[in-house]
Amino acid sequence: GAVVSQHPSRVICKSGTSVKIECRSLDFQATTMFWYRQFPKQSLMLMATSNEGSKATYEQGVEKDKFLINHASLTLSTLTVTSAHPEDSSFYICSARAVAPGNTIYFGEGSWLTVV
Amino acid sequence: GEDVEQSLFLSVREGDSSVINCTYTDSSSTYLYWYKQEPGAGLQLLTYIFSNMDMKQDQRLTVLLNKKDKHLSLRIADTQTGDSAIYFCAESKEGGGADGLTFGKGTHLIIQP
Repeated sequence: GAVVSQHPSRVICKSGTSVKIECRSLDFQATTMFWYRQFPKQSLMLMATSNEGSKATYEQGVEKDKFLINHASLTLSTLTVTSAHPEDSSFYICSARAVAPGNTIYFGEGSWLTVV
Repeated sequence: GEDVEQSLFLSVREGDSSVINCTYTDSSSTYLYWYKQEPGAGLQLLTYIFSNMDMKQDQRLTVLLNKKDKHLSLRIADTQTGDSAIYFCAESKEGGGADGLTFGKGTHLIIQP
């Protein structure tokens, strides 16, 4: 079946540094990818939607200059958390929409970000 | 606005059936999904249903949709310990637009021996 790979699965960075998370669709092309953030014991919150070759659309309240999203190809989207702070520590999950019945959205395994 | 609601916890005995319920408010929802999330992992798509369907069955999983009441349920037959996870109900609009999914807060399924 369709697989979405997310890397790294876990990352620890120092406060003030930037960290990049990659999201790849391995066996299908994804014109649209989504980035979510999940706080402990809470549901997923959509951060932004990225379309290949165009600027990402950010949800209200999400700082686009802090969470840089690039969707350079039909199989790769990246999320860069710039000038990370401890409050950015969270579980980030990407997903990719496959051109398939139901416009099925497949998720990556998620990336745990810890900012110290 | 859009809202998807589900109970936070469900406890069942191993071997019994589990029924996880979900309600949504957006009548324009076209696709409804059930995802499973195991501890520390991403989301696994279990099944989805179009809004013009009433029921979908896939092995141990049965999805029932009452569009009039905007109620979706997931039934897991012969629940096993490996089914212990958080189950998210989600909805999206018809494809074409680049909208994401709107999720419920998830139902934590607890299996008793």
